[in-house]
Parts: sequence; C-alpha cells; structure tokens
Amino acid sequence: DGGITQSPKYLFRKEGQNVTLSCEQNLNHDAMYWYRQDPGQGLRLIYYSQIVNDFQKGDIAEGYSVSREKKESFPLTVTSAQKNPTAFYLCASTATGALNTEAFFGQGTRLTVV
Amino acid sequence: QQQVKQSPQSLIVQKGGISIINCAYENTAFDYFPWYQQFPGKGPALLIAIRPDVSEKKEGRFTISFNKSAKQFSLHIMDSQPGDSATYFCAALIHSMDSNYQLIWGAGTKLIIKP
Repeated sequence: DGGITQSPKYLFRKEGQNVTLSCEQNLNHDAMYWYRQDPGQGLRLIYYSQIVNDFQKGDIAEGYSVSREKKESFPLTVTSAQKNPTAFYLCASTATGALNTEAFFGQGTRLTVV
Repeated sequence: QQQVKQSPQSLIVQKGGISIINCAYENTAFDYFPWYQQFPGKGPALLIAIRPDVSEKKEGRFTISFNKSAKQFSLHIMDSQPGDSATYFCAALIHSMDSNYQLIWGAGTKLIIKP
C-alpha cells in the first residue's frame, strides 16, 4: 500500500560521524521534505525538493545535506558539522500544484548521539 | 509575516469536555489551513482542513472555526476522549507564482485528556 517509509526507526551516532537517514515514497509525489522535531517543539524545515535533481535549503539546513536522484527517494545526511543532531526526523511528501494538498509523513527516525 | 502562532503550548481537558486550540496568522495570502494530529513516536497525519471562504467545517467531533477578519482559526474537539491525547499542529499554506507552495507550521499543542 502507498506511503512513506523512513528507516531506520532508531539510529545512534558517535560524535564526529556522518549518518544517512532514508526516506522512500511510492505515492508518486513530486515534492519531498525533511523536518526536524525536538521535544515539545514544532516542525522545523531542513531541506525540501520539488523535483528530481533539485532541492532547496529550509530554515535549519546547516550541518545537513540531501540528494534527490530519484523521484521516490530523498535521503538526508546528518554531518559532523551539525552541532546538536539528537532529534526526531520526519520526512514528508506532497503532490505539487494541487489546491488541497495533504502532506504525508513517514513514521520518523529518532537519532541519538552517543 | 510568514508565521503561524499557535496556543496554548499544552492543554489538559477532562474526558467529555471541549478542547480548544487557537492559531493566528498575518499573511492574507494563506489560502488553506490544515490541522495535523501526531501521536508519540509517529509522524503527523492530516485531521481536518478549511479554506478561507468558509467560516466553519465539521467532521465528527472535530470542528475548525475560521475568522478571516481577525486572521484566526481554531480547532474544537467536542466530547474529548483519552484517545484524542496527541500533539496538534495548525498550518497555513501559501502558493507561489510557479504553482509550488509552502506549508507554514504552528509550534504545536500537546493535548492530554484525563479519564
């Protein structure tokens, strides 16, 4: 059935390591997004992509990188430059151009720096 | 001007009571106002949404009230149940010239329904 799959659900990273979070969707959506959520906080946009091979920085892009080589996939790399990476990361997708657009979210990846 | 301000940050309501969460915005170009519900450890999911040409939308126990002149909208949960305990996000959508759009999110409200 259609949806967004994020993996892994839990991820532990040592300080100084880069880690990559996976996000795959089979909804045929053009746009994909990465958000960061801290405890008791709202959703902060990291990066988004409206089309394959193109992406834009969101509000908190520093220390993160993305790629969009396929429509279905939008992986997020948390680099060692990200000072405080421990958070809940959410991937979402939407259909572009629609008037009533629903954002579909994955189940999230909880990243912990150890 | 791109912000959506949501209140309260947290809310405790007795079972059977009415839960009310408020959001306010400044940008009159916003043209779609969804509410999302998020359970712990899960991603948010669309709950109910409204367009600015109507003042109220009801789906079951959930109602959005929209006040265009005041630039405010609110979520009302009637007969609140423990299963409604979750974090609720309001959002506002703005379209750009190239048919793309951006969702602006409120900070979220953690709702607890006491049995």
